[in-house]
Amino acid sequence: EIVLTQSPGTLSLSPGERATLSCRASQSVSSSYLAWYQQKPGQAPRLLIYGASSRATGIPDRFSGSGSGTDFTLTISRLEPEDFAVYFCQQYGGSPLTFGGGTKVEIK
Amino acid sequence: QLQLQESGSGLVKPSQTLSLTCAVSGGSISSGGYSWSWIRQPPGKGLEWIGFIYHSGSTYYNPSLKTRVTISVDTSKNQFSLKLTSVTAADTAVYYCARGDSNYDFFEYWGQGTLGTVSS
Repeated sequence: EIVLTQSPGTLSLSPGERATLSCRASQSVSSSYLAWYQQKPGQAPRLLIYGASSRATGIPDRFSGSGSGTDFTLTISRLEPEDFAVYFCQQYGGSPLTFGGGTKVEIK
Repeated sequence: QLQLQESGSGLVKPSQTLSLTCAVSGGSISSGGYSWSWIRQPPGKGLEWIGFIYHSGSTYYNPSLKTRVTISVDTSKNQFSLKLTSVTAADTAVYYCARGDSNYDFFEYWGQGTLGTVSS
């Protein structure tokens, strides 16, 4: 099983700042089969990024993903008020499918 | 627009079976090579993939739950279901159904989630 470790656990930033979230895998994720999701309280996760760097339909370009192998990054270039939420990474290159523990982006 | 809606037993006693159904609208479960998953999230915690099914009935389960999980599909009703047996308090979670991409197992479409509580 591929274990995904997200850091930091909590990121305290102000609107307009840049957010950098990390997702590290216990073994190489084949073909960069890594996705990122945003989740707000009481809501289902929302797909942001798939294939490590491809934005899902309707996702603003301030969200970008990068990385390969075992190290992946989600960057939010300028935080908008609606971006304060919890973010999860997920790998789909190995079985079982696994998710990271999440990073909470909170208002400073 | 594809929509998924979970329903089922909200409160289950320990050792009993949790049964949930996901109704799909705006698209057919039988079309395309999509996988249909169950994912859960204990209160305040992260996400755990439970398993998925294809319209053909082929299933894949998380080994951590495999002995207690059954996922089935009813194409005539355009829905799929989850049964989790011998539940304990650790199975208390919000249960989501979701659709995988046509070729890859990431999730663009999710249900709103339903809370399954295990309590005597």
